[in-house]
Amino acid sequence: SQKIEQNSEALNIQEGKTATLTCNYTNYSPAYLQWYRQDPGRGPVFLLLIRENEKEKRKERLKVTFDTTLKQSLFHITASQPADSATYLCALSPGNTGKLIFGQGTTLQVKP
Amino acid sequence: DADVTQTPRNRITKTGKRIMLECSQTKGHDRMYWYRQDPGLGLRLIYYSFDVKDINKGEISDGYSVSRQAQAKFSLSLESAIPNQTALYFCATNTDSGTDTQYFGPGTRLTVL
Repeated sequence: SQKIEQNSEALNIQEGKTATLTCNYTNYSPAYLQWYRQDPGRGPVFLLLIRENEKEKRKERLKVTFDTTLKQSLFHITASQPADSATYLCALSPGNTGKLIFGQGTTLQVKP
Repeated sequence: DADVTQTPRNRITKTGKRIMLECSQTKGHDRMYWYRQDPGLGLRLIYYSFDVKDINKGEISDGYSVSRQAQAKFSLSLESAIPNQTALYFCATNTDSGTDTQYFGPGTRLTVL
């Protein structure tokens, strides 16, 4: 069956460290993989997109990698800050379906 | 920033009642979506619409119906609400039909007693 999985346990790190979140998928061949941020009680907000033929994408302190052989994406936040505390969702697009498939999200807590 | 608005933001209702959740967007996007979010289960797609005449079921459409009244409006109805429909509901629009990147509304918290 098709699955997209993120670490269900919350990730707690110290301010200034790099946070790394994992997204694994099975039985999909996504054309794109996206990362969203969600704050409590709010809608998800798009952060980054990476295409199947890209290995890495960066935006300011954010970095996403995409390994289609391992069927895995890693999301890194460098020099983390308490304001980065939120739930991060990965989502994949099989392509040409008009739909996204979301993981359940990983909650990041950055402590000062 | 109110490009996608949802009403109501919170609703408490009783089992068996009919409920309508409304979504409006000013972004001019053709594609609109309804999701529900439950703790530990992530976002699950209920219905989606690519234009006014094109409405499709998502993975969990049972117990729900939708209406696309105009390009800018997409409503979700619970015909006879039940307690396990208690959840956070999000409307979204598609910002890019090539990549399916989505823009979400603020959500409606629905409680069915």
